[in-house]
Amino acid sequence: GENVEQHPSTLSVQEGDSAVIKCTYSDSASNYFPWYKQELGKRPQLIIDIRSNVGEKKDQRIAVTLNKTAKHFSLHITETQPEDSAVYFCAASIRGFQKLVFGTGTRLLVSP
Amino acid sequence: EAEVAQSPRYKITEKSQAVAFWCDPISGHATLYWYRQILGQGPELLVQFQDESVVDDSQLPKDRFSAERLKGVDSTLKIQPAELGDSAMYLCASRSRQGDYGYTFGSGTRLTVV
Repeated sequence: GENVEQHPSTLSVQEGDSAVIKCTYSDSASNYFPWYKQELGKRPQLIIDIRSNVGEKKDQRIAVTLNKTAKHFSLHITETQPEDSAVYFCAASIRGFQKLVFGTGTRLLVSP
Repeated sequence: EAEVAQSPRYKITEKSQAVAFWCDPISGHATLYWYRQILGQGPELLVQFQDESVVDDSQLPKDRFSAERLKGVDSTLKIQPAELGDSAMYLCASRSRQGDYGYTFGSGTRLTVV
């Protein structure tokens, strides 16, 4: 079945460092790849997304890259801040944009 | 900013009891999803509606779970009887018919079965 793998499960960095989270997907027809940030006890919130016709997208300190050939995509956070601490989920669309399959999450801890 | 409304926010129920969750999507959003998120894991799709029709319920445990969206607007997810393993966050999300590909999630209902 459709599957999204996410690594690492936990990531600890010092404030100001960069953080990279990687995901791979199994469905070659996937064409939409969002990233969600979830703070403890709160709902997942969309922070950035990328479509299959684009290789890279950037929004201030956050960027996402996509390699369709290898079927993997990554989230890059630069100049991390303590408020970036949260669980981050990647997802890949199935059957066009109809359904999202989520990764298992990465707990990011940014220490001051 | 438009939001997806969910209630209740928290629910504690005893094993074998019935429990129901409610979701009101963003106005005009034709697609509605119910996801279950077990602590420490990613959300898993339970059921997807397009207007009032079920599009995908392949992961819904139909012996105990049911979902409906009778008028194509708000939706109810029911569990009967609840089991200990049902303890999780139940998230509702909605998406417009076209042009907006990102989901908007509600705040969820945290269910604890004791």
